[in-house]
Amino acid sequence: DAGITQSPRHKVTETGTPVTLRCHQTENHRYMYWYRQDPGHGLRLIHYSYGVKDTDKGEVSDGYSVSRSKTEDFLLTLESATSSQTSVYFCAIRTGLAGPNTGELFFGEGSRLTVL
Amino acid sequence: GDSVTQMEGPVTLSEEAFLTINCTYTATGYPSLFWYVQYPGEGLQLLLKATKADDKGSNKGFEATYRKETTSFHLEKGSVQVSDSAVYFCALGGSGGSNYKLTFGKGTLLTVNP
Repeated sequence: DAGITQSPRHKVTETGTPVTLRCHQTENHRYMYWYRQDPGHGLRLIHYSYGVKDTDKGEVSDGYSVSRSKTEDFLLTLESATSSQTSVYFCAIRTGLAGPNTGELFFGEGSRLTVL
Repeated sequence: GDSVTQMEGPVTLSEEAFLTINCTYTATGYPSLFWYVQYPGEGLQLLLKATKADDKGSNKGFEATYRKETTSFHLEKGSVQVSDSAVYFCALGGSGGSNYKLTFGKGTLLTVNP
């Protein structure tokens, strides 16, 4: 099984402070993703990575940045947190590749962020 | 762009009832289709998948068939149990190559009563 560890699992912070969420995988998967989950919106893609130093924006990338300096770690940073970024954040890796349009995502357990 | 529309909930059923959760999609090319399940307080787990037209995915008594002609991937189960209570997400995977990503529907909350 693919192993993903997200940290921290819970965080409460204040508006305007920087926050970094970490996603660590124990295998060598190339693709990694950050989603946020909000009631009424399902899961929305923030950023994703298709290799070391290769990242791209998702549909809700404003206010977020990412970095991937090594295969196993994918960091999500909120430079200046706002209350609208209160959410549950999920990291995922792509597994089961069998072609360019295949492959399921395996998700971490989530990081709950509250911005006061 | 790619999009997924799934039946809005919540859905409340009695144990042993038949379940259908509708899912339709819009996509270019030939996406893969997925159903994920999220139990209370947990992350998302893959329930089933289909990678090409007419494929049927199945797992734990749930089934869904990839219908290209109707751009649909409806989730069904013949007899639900209390333990099936969860949020169900339909998703499509596409945009190929390095741009591969999953696009999710908004989720459907299912509650099964004894």
